[in-house]
Amino acid sequence: GAVVSQHPSRVICKSGTSVKIECRSLDFQATTMFWYRQFPKKSLMLMATSNEGSKATYEQGVEKDKFLINHASLTLSTLTVTSAHPEDSSFYICSARDPARQRNSPLHFGNGTRLTVT
Amino acid sequence: AQTVTQSQPEMSVQEAETVTLSCTYDTSESDYYLFWYKQPPSRQMILVIRQEAYKQQNATENRFSVNFQKAAKSFSLKISDSQLGDAAMYFCAYRSARGGGADGLTFGKGTHLIIQP
Repeated sequence: GAVVSQHPSRVICKSGTSVKIECRSLDFQATTMFWYRQFPKKSLMLMATSNEGSKATYEQGVEKDKFLINHASLTLSTLTVTSAHPEDSSFYICSARDPARQRNSPLHFGNGTRLTVT
Repeated sequence: AQTVTQSQPEMSVQEAETVTLSCTYDTSESDYYLFWYKQPPSRQMILVIRQEAYKQQNATENRFSVNFQKAAKSFSLKISDSQLGDAAMYFCAYRSARGGGADGLTFGKGTHLIIQP
């Protein structure tokens, strides 16, 4: 089945630095990928939709200058948390759907990245 | 905008018993998809079951089945013969059918399912 790989699984960084998270579709081409954020014991909140070859679409309240998304190829989307602060500490998950499959096919999720900003 | 509501923050069930997790949603669309995802402590999102809104027949996957009531906008998950491995957070999710799947999922707040041996 479709597999989505996310890297790194854990990252600790100092306040003020930037962190890049990668999301790859391993056996399919994803024109669209999604980035979610999950606080401890909370639900997943959609942050943005990553579109290959064009600008990402951000959800209301998500700072596009803080969370930079690049979808330069059909198998890779990256999320960069710029000038990270402790309040950016969270679990970030990407997902993608294989467009070659039926429209009712589900999203496939990466294993997530736990970001801790000290 | 669509919303998904899971009114049970936590549920507990004896092993081998049956448990039902509730989910309601709000939408003005007529064509959409509904999903139940399981998130164990590893935090991997695992698809449990899915339902197309245009289908009247309730989806079933082995011990997991749904009760889909479109008019009531209700989508509950029934787990039969509960097993210890079923313990996890369960999220109900909605996705619009428009746009060819270009929309992300809207999740409920989740239900923490505890299985008592």
